[in-house]
Amino acid sequence: GEDVEQSLFLSVREGDSSVINCTYTDSSSTYLYWYKQEPGAGLQLLTYIFSNMDMKQDQRLTVLLNKKDKHLSLRIADTQTGDSAIYFCAERKTGRRALTFGSGTRLQVQP
Amino acid sequence: NAGVTQTPKFQVLKTGQSMTLQCAQDMNHEYMSWYRQDPGMGLRLIHYSVGAGITDQGEVPNGYNVSRSTTEDFPLRLLSAAPSQTSVYFCASSPPQQGLRDTQYFGPGTRLTVL
Repeated sequence: GEDVEQSLFLSVREGDSSVINCTYTDSSSTYLYWYKQEPGAGLQLLTYIFSNMDMKQDQRLTVLLNKKDKHLSLRIADTQTGDSAIYFCAERKTGRRALTFGSGTRLQVQP
Repeated sequence: NAGVTQTPKFQVLKTGQSMTLQCAQDMNHEYMSWYRQDPGMGLRLIHYSVGAGITDQGEVPNGYNVSRSTTEDFPLRLLSAAPSQTSVYFCASSPPQQGLRDTQYFGPGTRLTVL
């Protein structure tokens, strides 16, 4: 199967919380990342978490890591229309600089 | 700093033509890489470089060449374009490693269509 898997699409209403999920297969992953891609733009790093952490919070963003289940999630509180984008989960494996990306989750925020 | 810049933004080629996608960064980053992004798929690594004069293959290197003569520039060459190379190409760079933390900065992308 794929190294990193994400659901393709998520739709939420403005003001609600969004939760984007990701699963990965390599237990040796050291860092896990969330990137945001707006239409026609490159990828923008949102946040990252080290594999020995289980939670990281940064303003409206909360990252949860369940290393046992190899599951990563990104929660966006008070989702705004400006949060509409594609969100990519990525892992960095031990000894490698390159990242392995999931296929991305398109978040649509309804006004 | 301009960050990571890519040119051109859009390109249309005919099968068999060659071209070079340009990538430059002004942040003195040692690590640079090229990815391609196809619909419904994540980014896939084509080639990467850990410093001037050093390049290596990524996940999908066939049909592409790279060189790294300077720290700033990392061009990607398509020797004989094929329709399967229609994609959006992203260049990325990373600063010298700070422990294990390593964030990559992406350029805006080049949208390539091969007819």
